[in-house]
Amino acid sequence: TQLLEQSPQFLSIQEGENLTVYCNSSSVFSSLQWYRQEPGEGPVLLVTVVTGGEVKKLKRLTFQFGDARKDSSLHITAAQPGDTGLYLCAGVDTGNQFYFGTGTSLTVIP
Amino acid sequence: NAGVTQTPKFRILKIGQSMTLQCAQDMNHNYMYWYRQDPGMGLKLIYYSVGAGITDKGEVPNGYNVSRSTTEDFPLRLELAAPSQTSVYFCASSLYLIPRNDTIYFGEGSWLTVV
Repeated sequence: TQLLEQSPQFLSIQEGENLTVYCNSSSVFSSLQWYRQEPGEGPVLLVTVVTGGEVKKLKRLTFQFGDARKDSSLHITAAQPGDTGLYLCAGVDTGNQFYFGTGTSLTVIP
Repeated sequence: NAGVTQTPKFRILKIGQSMTLQCAQDMNHNYMYWYRQDPGMGLKLIYYSVGAGITDKGEVPNGYNVSRSTTEDFPLRLELAAPSQTSVYFCASSLYLIPRNDTIYFGEGSWLTVV
């Protein structure tokens, strides 16, 4: 059973477009992280959100934690080729178990 | 600034062979992990360790073994390799077992193909 489902699984967009990636669960999470993984490398942490409704911004990336702490979204404004990679959400559930999501593979075409 | 170091980077194994993936970290982290990642997918936890001499199973431990004789090293052993073990393997470490505001630090991955 996959606790953290990401959508879409694959996304290919033109440079300059906006996009949103979703991370959904039926379980409540005490904290949620977003990682980006570039080809041939390990995941690198982008952000951690811990409060329901919390919004964090990292340059052109906006992260939101759902009010009920069951979901999160990542919005990228004016995507650039350098944003290409695999985006992974990961969370700690109320049982203190840590899980990675299923992943969203993003390709930004110049 | 080595962080987490994995070897080898690439390996091809024949069915039934055995091998060990090496992992070392120099951040004095107590917590270490082995994940596998299939193409375009998320990571699944194989084994983890909370300190030297202590290991525990993760989500997908079958076909693997680990040991943790020192804080720095956490090797992963594949016994009797099977095609289903073809994957990318990531070793990782963290300051806290349950990362909240801290992160898990990953190695660069080991690409394993079983033929």
